[in-house]
Formats: sequence, structure tokens, C-alpha cells
Amino acid sequence: EVQLLESGGGLVQPGGSLRLSCTASGFTFSTYAMSWVRQAPGKGLEWVSGISGSGGTTYYVDSVKGRFTISRDNSKNTLYLQMNSLRAEDTALYYCAKDKLGSVAADGAFDIWGQGTMVTVSS
Amino acid sequence: DIQMTQSPSSLSASVGDRVTITCQASHDINNYLNWYQQKPGKAPKLLIYDASNLETGVPSRFSGSGSGTDFTFTISSLQPEDIATYYCQQYHDLPTFGGGTKVEIK
Repeated sequence: EVQLLESGGGLVQPGGSLRLSCTASGFTFSTYAMSWVRQAPGKGLEWVSGISGSGGTTYYVDSVKGRFTISRDNSKNTLYLQMNSLRAEDTALYYCAKDKLGSVAADGAFDIWGQGTMVTVSS
Repeated sequence: DIQMTQSPSSLSASVGDRVTITCQASHDINNYLNWYQQKPGKAPKLLIYDASNLETGVPSRFSGSGSGTDFTFTISSLQPEDIATYYCQQYHDLPTFGGGTKVEIK
């Protein structure tokens, strides 16, 4: 069964850091680009960052550039999101999602989603 | 950035009704448009990709059409299990989502 499982969320103070992880199973992880998509409480979906299958190409939404870093370890079938200088507006449920088509980052539909990990930024 | 304007933001319809949601892009996005369904407390689910292609396993009452800047998502006969919020998403540029349409039963 194709599955994504996120972890690493929690409560953090403004200015703090967190690292999210997403472990994949049931497909050849290195063949597919991956993304992080977030959803603030009661709000819509926002794409945050994407990474190619090899890890060599990354993209970010403007609001997180310079603060968040996406990476992957294909030997461990795991996607990461390092989040630094966190702000209250980063509070959201963070989903990892698999690109449907292939290894090019942020270039298609997201056909598999995890259940999400909640990040709360508050003092 | 490409902005996606989805309408209506919510709607109420009866079981068996035809439901239509529109999504307008701020720039020409060709057919690089996907539709998702999100039920309360659940992750989004891909329904339609590349504007009109039905994802495997998705019931045929769901359909999509459009190209360029104007797109339509249709449920031909609303079922109780279709209660959800629906989102469009473009990928002509870095991905952006529409604001969502909450579908309820009248």
C-alpha cells in the first residue's frame, strides 16, 4: 500500500525551530518529486515547498524562503522540512504529498497525501 | 504568482442535483489544473488532473473541463458522501490553490 507518514510537529515558541519528517512506503521514493502543503486552522491549502526526485532542485513559496529548507534522504525513503525562525502565521497542519507524474519538482498533481502533522507557533 | 479564484465559496444542494464549481486563473495556465476533495478531518484527495482527466478509482459523476483561464468542476448527481470542500490547484507556475468551495446537502 502506498503510504506517507508525517511526524515532528508540535508546539514551538516564535523564533524557534522544528524539523518535520515524512516516511514513504509502497512506491519507489527516489522516482518521484515530493512537496509540503500546509493548512492553517479553518483555512485553505497552501503549497509550501517542493523537491525533485534526486533532491537537486528545490522550490519554496515566498513567505518561507530563507527560513525553511526541504530535503530528502532517498536511502531512508524520507522527506524533511527544516523550519527555522518560526512565526505565528506558520501555525498549520503540514502535509507531505507525492507528485503524480514523476521526478520534476512542483510539476503536476499530488496523488498521495499523508495525514499531516500539526505545527503550533505560540508563546 | 498565479492567483486562483474559486466560486462559489460555499453551496447547498439536494441529493441528485448537478453541482458546478468554477475556478479562474489570473494568467493562462493551459490545462495545468487539478481538483481535490477534502472531507472534514481528512487529507485532500485528487479527483481530476490536467483539467479533465479522472483519477483512477474516482466515480464518473465527477468531471472537469476548461483551458486557459477558466475551468469548471461538476458533480453530475450529488451524493451524501460528496459533502466536502473542493479545491482547484494550478501548476503552470509554482503550485497555488483556489480558496475552496464547501459543498453541503440542502
